[in-house]
Amino acid sequence: DQQVKQNSPSLSVQEGRISILNCDYTNSMFDYFLWYKKYPAEGPTFLISISSIKDKNEDGRFTVFLNKSAKHLSLHIVPSQPGDSAVYFCAASDDNNDMRFGAGTRLTVKP
Amino acid sequence: DTEVTQTPKHLVMGMTNKKSLKCEQHMGHRAMYWYKQKAKKPPELMFVYSYEKLSINESVPSRFSPECPNSSLLNLHLHALQPEDSALYLCASSPQDLTAGADTQYFGPGTRLTVL
Repeated sequence: DQQVKQNSPSLSVQEGRISILNCDYTNSMFDYFLWYKKYPAEGPTFLISISSIKDKNEDGRFTVFLNKSAKHLSLHIVPSQPGDSAVYFCAASDDNNDMRFGAGTRLTVKP
Repeated sequence: DTEVTQTPKHLVMGMTNKKSLKCEQHMGHRAMYWYKQKAKKPPELMFVYSYEKLSINESVPSRFSPECPNSSLLNLHLHALQPEDSALYLCASSPQDLTAGADTQYFGPGTRLTVL
């Protein structure tokens, strides 16, 4: 039962343009959402998070948007840089701190 | 079948106990991973198996012992753990081996371990 889904396995974007990574979830008990970035042979590193009481959180070039009614989460990267090329995971947790991960989206930013 | 399953879901053990966590995937994935995660922190990579061979051991204490009996199964044997080892232990698998570079990963739901 995939409670968190990232339907696009890969995304390719030109340097300087916007990257939009999407994530959908099914469990309405999720109240905390995170995006992680992962390089090969390393564990995921935390990127940005958002609590369910907000609909937007911004940190530099990274903005996360939350649409609770649609159970949809997105990560915007503006402007995209070649160093942003990695796999991005969306994750969601509930009150019990049980966390569910999406399968990831591989972002490639072309110079 | 696009799931990674983990058993048990919850485990409570004493510091002298020996227990095992089990992870299974039937997607034909070539790499499998163990992560340890504390509440609302990023998962910490522990071990990576690629083609059933241990490829990465992130300096994990020997009280954690991984085993990959076959391409679908990954175990984590626990012995003489400490209370600070209490965490969520996540298993993941990915379609390609590590040499393929960045890859998507499918995570299991985790085993919540409490060491008393």
